[in-house]
Amino acid sequence: SAVISQKPSRDICQRGTSLTIQCQVDSQVTMMFWYRQQPGQSLTLIATANQGSEATYESGFVIDKFPISRPNLTFSTLTVSNMSPEDSSIYLCSVGLAGGRGEQFFGPGTRLTVL
Amino acid sequence: GDSVTQMEGPVTLSEEAFLTINCTYTATGYPSLFWYVQYPGEGLQLLLKATKADDKGSNKGFEATYRKETTSFHLEKGSVQVSDSAVYFCALMTGGFKTIFGAGTRLFVKA
Repeated sequence: SAVISQKPSRDICQRGTSLTIQCQVDSQVTMMFWYRQQPGQSLTLIATANQGSEATYESGFVIDKFPISRPNLTFSTLTVSNMSPEDSSIYLCSVGLAGGRGEQFFGPGTRLTVL
Repeated sequence: GDSVTQMEGPVTLSEEAFLTINCTYTATGYPSLFWYVQYPGEGLQLLLKATKADDKGSNKGFEATYRKETTSFHLEKGSVQVSDSAVYFCALMTGGFKTIFGAGTRLFVKA
């Protein structure tokens, strides 16, 4: 298994500003994912961030809006840029373990409110 | 494309009642299937999984059987507790770790 922490746990931001969310894993992992979970909704994959390669974004998400860094095997950041109230959501990072059977381990999430 | 459909909630049950949350999927190939649970204020955690047809995943009294013929993976528990109150997500993975989640079903269990 893997233990994942995220910072901040929550934030309230003004529109037009940016927020960087940090994700720290207690072991080295290759595959890391960023999701958005809007209130009462399911999870939507934003991007896959594998160490050593550029992040791969899903349809509807672009690097200019959600830049991702993955400097090593235990850490990643997601920035939500030029925020609007529509970006209010919970942002989750998760990891998949090599040799696992496809399950993912999730961080506790970052609850973002944009005013 | 691949998709997961699960029953809408919320589902409200009394303690010790029987629980079924329906989940069906559409996928090319042979996906792995999962149930994740999200307790209030927490991130998702894996509840159980099955990786091939007829496999039964089980954990904490919950069970689900991978039914290829009906493309289903229904979650069941014989006797729910108040502590089972949470949101339950059915999910599938076909490859590359890319996982598709259902809409989630909120369960309330009353004492």
